[in-house]
Formats: sequence, structure tokens, C-alpha cells
Amino acid sequence: NAGVMQNPRHLVRRRGQEARLRCSPMKGHSHVYWYRQLPEEGLKFMVYLQKENIIDESGMPKERFSAEFPKEGPSILRIQQVVRGDSAAYFCASSPEVSSYEQYFGPGTRLTVT
Amino acid sequence: AQSVTQLDSHVSVSEGTPVLLRCNYSSSYSPSLFWYVQHPNKGLQLLLKYTSAATLVKGINGFEAEFKKSETSFHLTKPSAHMSDAAEYFCVVRLMDSSYKLIFGSGTRLLVRP
Repeated sequence: NAGVMQNPRHLVRRRGQEARLRCSPMKGHSHVYWYRQLPEEGLKFMVYLQKENIIDESGMPKERFSAEFPKEGPSILRIQQVVRGDSAAYFCASSPEVSSYEQYFGPGTRLTVT
Repeated sequence: AQSVTQLDSHVSVSEGTPVLLRCNYSSSYSPSLFWYVQHPNKGLQLLLKYTSAATLVKGINGFEAEFKKSETSFHLTKPSAHMSDAAEYFCVVRLMDSSYKLIFGSGTRLLVRP
């Protein structure tokens, strides 16, 4: 059973460009979480999605950031008009059900904004 | 509100000596607590979890943690450090709301001296 997959692993964008980060959860998992890790900090929750629904986006910045988890295909975290402060590692985690005790993390996407 | 505090940002030990990484939690009800490890430029791996069963929890790679309600602590220990244990360790609490999202501590960087 393949683990959580994220791509790309590394992404470089110039200020003002768009960044699209993809996450494929483990097989059979329908719950996806996105977390952001700024340099020298712990992970911070951004958004929780189920298939076709955003359940909790309390950690998402109000502007430029959006997320989706369509019926088919991976979950996408989109950052529009990136700024230097968006440089971070973005991790996706999945779980089989919302009350599962474990969230399985992907390897992360490291976004660098130049 | 639920939160975790990791008391040390850096811990340095000699190979073969015991490891103690400290974590205190704040929760109004019985929490679910976890320790994750992150090796440089890698994703997160679950070391162990406490979910209101046995208070002494054994994890992978010889790590264990003891849940002490009276002290609101969940310290991570290992009898003998190995060079491969050098990494960042995160104490994590799971929110018991509708999202069950994870709240991460700020992390403890473990250095192992030869």
C-alpha cells in the first residue's frame, strides 16, 4: 500500500507566480489535512478536507490560498501571487476516517519563492 | 484550548546515554498525544501515541513515553541514544473537535555526539 504522495517535492516560484501543490492520500483514505512548516518552526494546521468538501479551513490565510479535494484525483493546495513569506514546507496528511488516531504524512513539498 | 509545550529547543547527548525530551500539554479533557520524528529534509514519522489506554507507551526504535496526568506531561525517553536518532522531535496533541486536527509543539532538535 503506497503511502501519502506529494508532488512536486521541491518547487521554486518567483514572486507573483502561482504555486500548485498536489497530494494523493493513501488508498482508502478520504480525509486530507494540509499543514505548513515555516523555517525553524513546528507544523501549523491549514485546512481539512473530505472528498469535494472543505470541512475546516480555520488555518488558511484569508487571501491567495485555496484548497480542493475533488471526487477524482489528488487534493490541490493553490497559492496565488506568491510572496517570499510563503516559502515553507507544506505537508499533507491523510486518514481513513475523521476519528482515526493516526494521520499519515507525506514527504512534503518545499516551496521556495525567489 | 488544547496545546503542547516542548520545554527544550535543543538537547545534546552522547551516543549510548539516555535521552529525555520534555513535553507538557494543556487540555480540558483526556487528550490524545503523539510524538513524531522528522529527519533533515524528510517527512514526519509517528514514533508513538497515547490514546487513554496504558500510560506507558512504547514506540518504534526503542522510544517510549509516559503519560502523567498529575503533571500534565508526556516526556519522550530512550535508554541509549544512537547516532541515527539525531533529528527533530515534535510533541503533538489532537484536537477533539469535528476536525481532529493536530496541534504541534515547536520541536526539540536532538543532537547525538559520538
